Amino acid sequence: GQSLEQPSEVTAVEGAIVQINCTYQTSGFYGLSWYQQHDGGAPTFLSYNALDGLEETGRFSSFLSRSDSYGYLLLQELQMKDSASYFCAVRDNYGQNFVFGPGTRLSVLP
Amino acid sequence: DSGVTQTPKHLITATGQRVTLRCSPRSGDLSVYWYQQSLDQGLQFLIQYYNGEERAKGNILERFSAQQFPDLHSELNLSSLELGDSALYFCASSASSGADTQYFGPGTRLTVL
Repeated sequence: GQSLEQPSEVTAVEGAIVQINCTYQTSGFYGLSWYQQHDGGAPTFLSYNALDGLEETGRFSSFLSRSDSYGYLLLQELQMKDSASYFCAVRDNYGQNFVFGPGTRLSVLP
Repeated sequence: DSGVTQTPKHLITATGQRVTLRCSPRSGDLSVYWYQQSLDQGLQFLIQYYNGEERAKGNILERFSAQQFPDLHSELNLSSLELGDSALYFCASSASSGADTQYFGPGTRLTVL
């Protein structure tokens, strides 16, 4: 089967840097996506890594190591509005299934 | 605003009933995905349609079915509803069949009493 693991909660202060890790076990891995979801809202796409390495988009960066089945989302210069749940996701089973991790709840403190 | 619309926003119904959830994808997107999100199960992929054809199927119950129409809007039908079907149902769309960038609608909150 397929599974993704993420820490359930992370807390940090405004202006800090936080890293949210994701490990996965899949068959037919295509790439790792990250989504943000505020309470009561819909998931919104943040980034996607198909190849090893770091992808940077503004304050957010995402990293992938296919050999380690591991990725992370890096959030810099944290703001209060970054308080949300963050999900990693993979397309698995040779493209026949989309699997989301359990989510990491990030709390940014003043 | 993602450009994906879903109706209704809220739905309250009784066990054993049948409901239909509707989704309109972003303009130009050919793929529609349906997800169920509940507190204990997280975000679960149900089914994907691409340009009217079923493309991928996840953990969708036999009581649930979906279709995508020629104008690309999609409907998710839930029948013989149970208390455990209470959840947020999201629709997402993407431009291609394998796109890993999905744009989610605001969701439909279903409550089964």
